[in-house]
Amino acid sequence: GESVGLHLPTLSVQEGDNSIINCAYSNSASDYFIWYKQESGKGPQFIIDIRSNMDKRQGQRVTVLLNKTVKHLSLQIAATQPGDSAVYFCAGHEEGNQFYFGTGTSLTVIP
Amino acid sequence: KAGVTQTPRYLIKTRGQQVTLSCSPISGHRSVSWYQQTPGQGLQFLFEYFSETQRNKGNFPGRFSGRQFSNSRSEMNVSTLELGDSALYLCASSLQGIGNSPLHFGNGTRLTVT
Repeated sequence: GESVGLHLPTLSVQEGDNSIINCAYSNSASDYFIWYKQESGKGPQFIIDIRSNMDKRQGQRVTVLLNKTVKHLSLQIAATQPGDSAVYFCAGHEEGNQFYFGTGTSLTVIP
Repeated sequence: KAGVTQTPRYLIKTRGQQVTLSCSPISGHRSVSWYQQTPGQGLQFLFEYFSETQRNKGNFPGRFSGRQFSNSRSEMNVSTLELGDSALYLCASSLQGIGNSPLHFGNGTRLTVT
């Protein structure tokens, strides 16, 4: 089965700096990945997704990088703002199977 | 477009009771999946329904069951509640199903079993 994890449980950054949140996965057959943001008292919010045939995908202030060689993906947030403070986790999917979720990195933005 | 709606937001039950949670997906989404979220285990998959059929099931006991109606709304039922069932239960809808399009989550139902 799939195993997805996150490298750091907590991350603190200064407002305006860039944030990088990492995630590792174990199954090389994983074909689809999603990053989610979860604020206290709310459900996970979709940020960005990437398929395994891509190495990079950009959204508004966010970039996801996928390195299939080392089975690693990262979420980069540019110019981090206080509203970005939340728990971030990745989800990995294997064809014909379910999504597996990382345990989350709690991002704190220091004003 | 309205998001995923889960009701109720909070539930308190006692051991041995049963509970039914409800989920209304985003309009047009035919896939609904359910997840249990706890601090220790993170998000764990319960099951997915697509066009009223259960398509996939996670590693949970048979006390956890679900169904989906013709309008794509879904319910999850937990019978003979145990203390360990206390968790945030999340529902997600997807346009084309798990793995084919993103999951969009509701804000969950917080279940407390005493």
